[in-house]
Amino acid sequence: DTEVTQTPKHLVMGMTNKKSLKCEQHMGHRAMYWYKQKAKKPPELMFVYSYEKLSINESVPSRFSPECPNSSLLNLHLHALQPEDSALYLCASSQTPGLAVNNEQFFGPGTRLTVL
Amino acid sequence: QKEVEQDPGPLSVPEGAIVSLNCTYSNSAFQYFMWYRQYSRKGPELLMYTYSSGNKEDGRFTAQVDKSSKYISLFIRDSQPSDSATYLCAMTWGAQKLVFGQGTRLTINP
Repeated sequence: DTEVTQTPKHLVMGMTNKKSLKCEQHMGHRAMYWYKQKAKKPPELMFVYSYEKLSINESVPSRFSPECPNSSLLNLHLHALQPEDSALYLCASSQTPGLAVNNEQFFGPGTRLTVL
Repeated sequence: QKEVEQDPGPLSVPEGAIVSLNCTYSNSAFQYFMWYRQYSRKGPELLMYTYSSGNKEDGRFTAQVDKSSKYISLFIRDSQPSDSATYLCAMTWGAQKLVFGQGTRLTINP
């Protein structure tokens, strides 16, 4: 199983709503990532979890709150978002934190978020 | 100057042609180089992963890394309409943060 799954596929929310994005992998990977991708732009790193601990926060606004309940799951909690936060949110995982040969990042299909 | 430069295209070629996609970079510390393919409204799919300089071949795809010139390439032989997608180069020095190029939009015309 070399798959990263994400739910929901699409999400529409108002600026006062609270919602969560979910990501799951069963490859035994110990590093998991959240990226944000705007149209016709490359993915931008938001957060990295290494061995279920937050290791990188790319100065992301506090209205985005990540959580890693266990080694297979990664959540992104959303609250009081702005319309400019509308984007494709991608989850990725890699075998071990830090890169070495054959430690590439595998991406999920993404959640397309629209903030009204 | 961006750390990684990639021509966004669009690039349009006939079916069966050899496609050449390229990225240049400025950070000499980069050692790990990747090519991802991303179909419209989907997540990126890893195509090739190379360490340091040299060539790597996988089916119709060949990745080349020239660290002396800070230049990487992806070649697609016998291109197919199903190869139509955005191709993203990415690289890193060994940390968890990937630095992506802008992506090149490729269309293969039947």
